[in-house]
Amino acid sequence: GESVGLHLPTLSVQEGDNSIINCAYSNSASDYFIWYKQESGKGPQFIIDIRSNMDKRQGQRVTVLLNKTVKHLSLQIAATQPGDSAVYFCAENSPGGGFKTIFGAGTRLFVKA
Amino acid sequence: SAVISQKPSRDICQRGTSLTIQCQVDSQVTMMFWYRQQPGQSLTLIATANQGSEATYESGFVIDKFPISRPNLTFSTLTVSNMSPEDSSIYLCSASGIPGQTNEKLFFGSGTQLSVL
Repeated sequence: GESVGLHLPTLSVQEGDNSIINCAYSNSASDYFIWYKQESGKGPQFIIDIRSNMDKRQGQRVTVLLNKTVKHLSLQIAATQPGDSAVYFCAENSPGGGFKTIFGAGTRLFVKA
Repeated sequence: SAVISQKPSRDICQRGTSLTIQCQVDSQVTMMFWYRQQPGQSLTLIATANQGSEATYESGFVIDKFPISRPNLTFSTLTVSNMSPEDSSIYLCSASGIPGQTNEKLFFGSGTQLSVL
């Protein structure tokens, strides 16, 4: 079936540096993409989203980039902080999918002080 | 946003028994979903809980094993039936279609960590 995957399972960055987490998706019909953050012992938490009619969206310290040509999604975190340490999932929705969200494999981000 | 309360938060069960997980949302929501997350892995959608009708199951999940109820717009239950050690996992309730939010945006409970001996 369709799937959403990630290039890197783990990422270690120095506090204050920028982090980039990548994701490849396979369903070209997907039109809505989301990044979730999951801390230990908690459910995933929404970070930022983007629709397929956009290629970039910025939030507070986070930016999502969408490249539909190569079906690639990335999450950029500026000035990474220890509190950013978590697992990050990309996810996708497709029209006609009944608002179902399909999750990618996840990347664990370690922030070194 | 929405607050989703899930209980129990964890349980240890004997094989062959069943466990029912409850999920309560603090507002009326359009959609409710149940996910499974095995240790160190991503989330896999089990089913969409439909209000007033049978749940819609994803490939690999069946009603006899994971019966789901959704009697109203704020509450759902997932039962893990006839458990085996392979059912040990985190089970997550989620909701979308929350007033004031993007329809597809999911909110999650904290999950139920299930261990089957």
